[in-house]
Amino acid sequence: SYELTQPPSVSVSPGQTASITCSGDKLGDKYACWYQQKPGQSPVVVIYQDTKRPSGIPERFSGSNSGNTATLTISGTQAMDEADYYCQAWDSTTVVFGGGTKLTVL
Amino acid sequence: EVQLVESGGGLVKPGGSLRLSCAASGFTFNNAWMSWVRQAPGKGLEWVGRIKSKTDGGTTDYAAPVKGRFTISRDDLKKTLYLQMNSLKTEDTAVYYCTTVVRDCSGSSCYERYFDLWGRGTLVTVSS
Repeated sequence: SYELTQPPSVSVSPGQTASITCSGDKLGDKYACWYQQKPGQSPVVVIYQDTKRPSGIPERFSGSNSGNTATLTISGTQAMDEADYYCQAWDSTTVVFGGGTKLTVL
Repeated sequence: EVQLVESGGGLVKPGGSLRLSCAASGFTFNNAWMSWVRQAPGKGLEWVGRIKSKTDGGTTDYAAPVKGRFTISRDDLKKTLYLQMNSLKTEDTAVYYCTTVVRDCSGSSCYERYFDLWGRGTLVTVSS
């Protein structure tokens, strides 16, 4: 079965750039999405189709996807960005989520 | 208001059954593709399955761990999505979310793009 691998945790200082990776076999041939989940809340999509931002998502969130790796980049990270982030892709008709990355802003 | 509200969670013994509901409002439910996603306590997100709109065939797909035990259905008149869970196992313990699926359609082909609207979830605990 298809798998997506994320680092369990990433730390970043306020105002700096955070990068969260998601690895999967030929992931660049699929579309990747990214979801943000804060404690006690439901997930929210922040990036879809590799690079697109839904309305209401700040411009500091961006994405890329090439080869075997998709990357979520948060520029000028703010304290409010501290959350769990999950990548997701479709493998044929089934959905695969990465294991999630806890982003700590300190 | 555009929202999804899950209900029906609770405590059930291993081997038991439970039916979850997801009430939709504020959007055209009968045209929506819908999914269930679950999250075990302290763990990550796991896709459970999806049902297409009736106009797109109403077909379902399931994740391997639940295939043959779980069934997704919909009542478009009631604007409600269901998840029938049978032969429950302790590893099915999780918060279950329903979510809308955004898709792109061209001609007769549709491609799923992302999960848009999420409910707050309902907790299912499978324990003896």
